[in-house]
Amino acid sequence: NAGVTQTPKFQVLKTGQSMTLQCAQDMNHEYMSWYRQDPGMGLRLIHYSVGAGITDQGEVPNGYNVSRSTTEDFPLRLLSAAPSQTSVYFCASSYTSGHTDTQYFGPGTRLTVL
Amino acid sequence: AQSVAQPEDQVNVAEGNPLTVKCTYSVSGNPYLFWYVQYPNRGLQFLLKYITGDNLVKGSYGFEAEFNKSQTSFHLKKPSALVSDSALYFCAVREKGARNYGQNFVFGPGTRLSVLP
Repeated sequence: NAGVTQTPKFQVLKTGQSMTLQCAQDMNHEYMSWYRQDPGMGLRLIHYSVGAGITDQGEVPNGYNVSRSTTEDFPLRLLSAAPSQTSVYFCASSYTSGHTDTQYFGPGTRLTVL
Repeated sequence: AQSVAQPEDQVNVAEGNPLTVKCTYSVSGNPYLFWYVQYPNRGLQFLLKYITGDNLVKGSYGFEAEFNKSQTSFHLKKPSALVSDSALYFCAVREKGARNYGQNFVFGPGTRLSVLP
């Protein structure tokens, strides 16, 4: 299994540009989520999904959209990039949305918005 | 609301010495607690978790953590540190029984562990 994969690894955008961060998992996990990591703030949840066709907002959803058309894929869209969205983005998945389930993380995408 | 504190930004320890990375939490109910490690330019990797039962939890790479309900702590420990343990460590908490799956998984800010040869 490849686990959780993310593309691209690095991206530089100009303010106002849009882009999609890709996330895929091959473990048949039900639950997927997106986090952003900023220095001294740990990881903050952006959006999550408990199954195909079901998504919901996390702690910091503004400026981001998600969709979950298949179990495997959970892309994160930045509609109009802003410098405040400069961060490292992690996708994670777990077998279910159960509270005890371990989350598995992708390698991350480092995004810079100029 | 749930919260996690990791009071030390940085922990330095000599190789071969025991290490402790501290974590305290706040939840309104009972917690599920997790430790993750992040090596440079990598995603987070699961180390261990406390769900119920024995307060001492053993995990990957020789790490263990002790759940202390009265002190609301879940400190990560290892008897003998290795240089390869140098990384960023995150504590996380989930509230048992919480209904909102998205907003009940809270990470601490992270502690950078440096093991000196």
